[in-house]
Amino acid sequence: GAGVSQTPSNKVTEKGKYVELRCDPISGHTALYWYRQSLGQGPEFLIYFQGTGAADDSGLPNDRFFAVRPEGSVSTLKIQRTERGDSAVYLCASSGSGANTDTQYFGPGTRLTVL
Amino acid sequence: GENVEQHPSTLSVQEGDSAVIKCTYSDSASNYFPWYKQELGKRPQLIIDIRSNVGEKKDQRIAVTLNKTAKHFSLHITETQPEDSAVYFCAAKRNFGNEKLTFGTGTRLTIIP
Repeated sequence: GAGVSQTPSNKVTEKGKYVELRCDPISGHTALYWYRQSLGQGPEFLIYFQGTGAADDSGLPNDRFFAVRPEGSVSTLKIQRTERGDSAVYLCASSGSGANTDTQYFGPGTRLTVL
Repeated sequence: GENVEQHPSTLSVQEGDSAVIKCTYSDSASNYFPWYKQELGKRPQLIIDIRSNVGEKKDQRIAVTLNKTAKHFSLHITETQPEDSAVYFCAAKRNFGNEKLTFGTGTRLTIIP
């Protein structure tokens, strides 16, 4: 079936602007994760959803970052008043339920550049 | 919180030789350890994983070993091929089921033809 998809693939914005990044998880996956990957680093956890609710948002760096998953499927990561330090690849992952809930499948990421 | 360290940061091996990448973790409650391969500009892809109730797992040319006492785990790639060139990340997770992954800093593996 279709994998995790993310849009846009690239986003260039100016410092201070607002951006939204979208993630479509694998159909039926109950858990959805957001990670951020800076150049030369491993993905760093931001937030994860179990269904519609944020089960763990401990990785969000500050209150400029917010994410929603209103219907338990698609999720949107929202960044207000963007800063140059927000530039990174934002990765989304999803995992299922039942026998194998451990495996997280990643999307291709959104490369965010803040000028 | 969990801390995962990964070594080496870069590794070059001759085609056909073996490659070994090592990771250590800090949280004794971690019990799931996946390895991801990431090619340039692409998404991380799971290549193998191991759970704490198993000491070793093998899938064709790839194997992973886990030492829970020492809190380290390793990726072994045998008979390396040029298409194995990529960045490899280890990760660790607490609890079985949905939970965040903590990643290592990655190893850039280059296979020399």
